[in-house]
Amino acid sequence: AQSVSQHNHHVILSEAASLELGCNYSYGGTVNLFWYVQYPGQHLQLLLKYFSGDPLVKGIKGFEAEFIKSKFSFNLRKPSVQWSDTAEYFCAVNRGGSARQLTFGSGTQLTVLP
Amino acid sequence: EADIYQTPRYLVIGTGKKITLECSQTMGHDKMYWYQQDPGMELHLIHYSYGVNSTEKGDLSSESTVSRIRTEHFPLTLESARPSHTSQYLCASSAPGGSYEQYFGPGTRLTVT
Repeated sequence: AQSVSQHNHHVILSEAASLELGCNYSYGGTVNLFWYVQYPGQHLQLLLKYFSGDPLVKGIKGFEAEFIKSKFSFNLRKPSVQWSDTAEYFCAVNRGGSARQLTFGSGTQLTVLP
Repeated sequence: EADIYQTPRYLVIGTGKKITLECSQTMGHDKMYWYQQDPGMELHLIHYSYGVNSTEKGDLSSESTVSRIRTEHFPLTLESARPSHTSQYLCASSAPGGSYEQYFGPGTRLTVT
């Protein structure tokens, strides 16, 4: 079965530190990749997505992610985090051609200290 | 911001009661989904719909049922709530065509006592 692994359950950083959250998936075929973010008390919202083309994708609020096919990874990065980035981050994978099968990782809670 | 709504946001109810969680979207999306999420865990797909009168069970087995009589409305029903149903329920939708991006509602946090 397809699975998505997020290795860090809780990350604590100080403001201005760099961020990298890991995401690995197990499916070997064509995939569409997503990062979602959930700020405290708010909806899950899309941060960025990869369908094809340039493996380095840029999202909202200065976030970016790199798709490395050989490593089955789609890590999320931000060069300098802010207190307002405190949230839960979910990686999700959709197997190309299957509109329903969005498989989520267990999430990473990011806490940014002011 | 996505126009997808869920009511109620919070519900505490006794064992054996019938409940319906409402989900509506105003974006004209054809596909709609229900996910279940326990604290600190991943979202699990429990139901989805490709359009009116189309519903399918998801990856996680659930005693709930859904209906899709109108494009914009995708309610979830539990005929007899049990404490094991305590969880957060998230509704999502996605647009026609090849976009797999899903838009989420705020969720309903259900507690069954």
